[in-house]
Amino acid sequence: KAGVTQTPRYLIKTRGQQVTLSCSPISGHRSVSWYQQTPGQGLQFLFEYFSETQRNKGNFPGRFSGRQFSNSRSEMNVSTLELGDSALYLCASSLGHINTEAFFGQGTRLTVV
Amino acid sequence: AQSVTQLDSQVPVFEEAPVELRCNYSSSVSVYLFWYVQYPNQGLQLLLKYLSGSTLVKGINGFEAEFNKSQTSFHLRKPSVHISDTAEYFCAVSSREDTDKLIFGTGTRLQVFP
Repeated sequence: KAGVTQTPRYLIKTRGQQVTLSCSPISGHRSVSWYQQTPGQGLQFLFEYFSETQRNKGNFPGRFSGRQFSNSRSEMNVSTLELGDSALYLCASSLGHINTEAFFGQGTRLTVV
Repeated sequence: AQSVTQLDSQVPVFEEAPVELRCNYSSSVSVYLFWYVQYPNQGLQLLLKYLSGSTLVKGINGFEAEFNKSQTSFHLRKPSVHISDTAEYFCAVSSREDTDKLIFGTGTRLQVFP
């Protein structure tokens, strides 16, 4: 059974650009959550999607957005990149509610220069 | 709102020694509690979780944790560690009213020495 797949694994972007990250959940999982991990702020919740609907959103500016497709694959987009957006972005998938166990991908390492 | 405090940023220990990683949480509502492990350049892997029932929870790789409601703690323990346990450990909480969202502690780096 394939795990959660995040692409790309590494990304370098310039300030002001935008970026799209992709997450393919485990087959049959309908919930996808996104987290940002930085040395200074730790792991912070970005948003969660279930059946193409955003159910929950963290405390991030509107530059951070996401969506989920009918096949449960999810993308997150960051516009007008800032140096502080450099982070490991982790995606987690689960059957439904997070307490049913979230399986994390290996993450996308974004570096903004 | 919930919060999680991991009291130790680093815990050094010799192989085969016991270890305890401390976690305290704050919440005004009932919570679910989790411990995750992260190896270098990897995502997070669930070690164990407390949803309800017995306060002693056993997880993978010989780890266990005890939920203490009066002390709002959920400490992780292992009686005998291995070199391969060297990793970052995260305690997390979600509320029963907001189960979609995990709030993580800042992590504890467990370093096992031979």
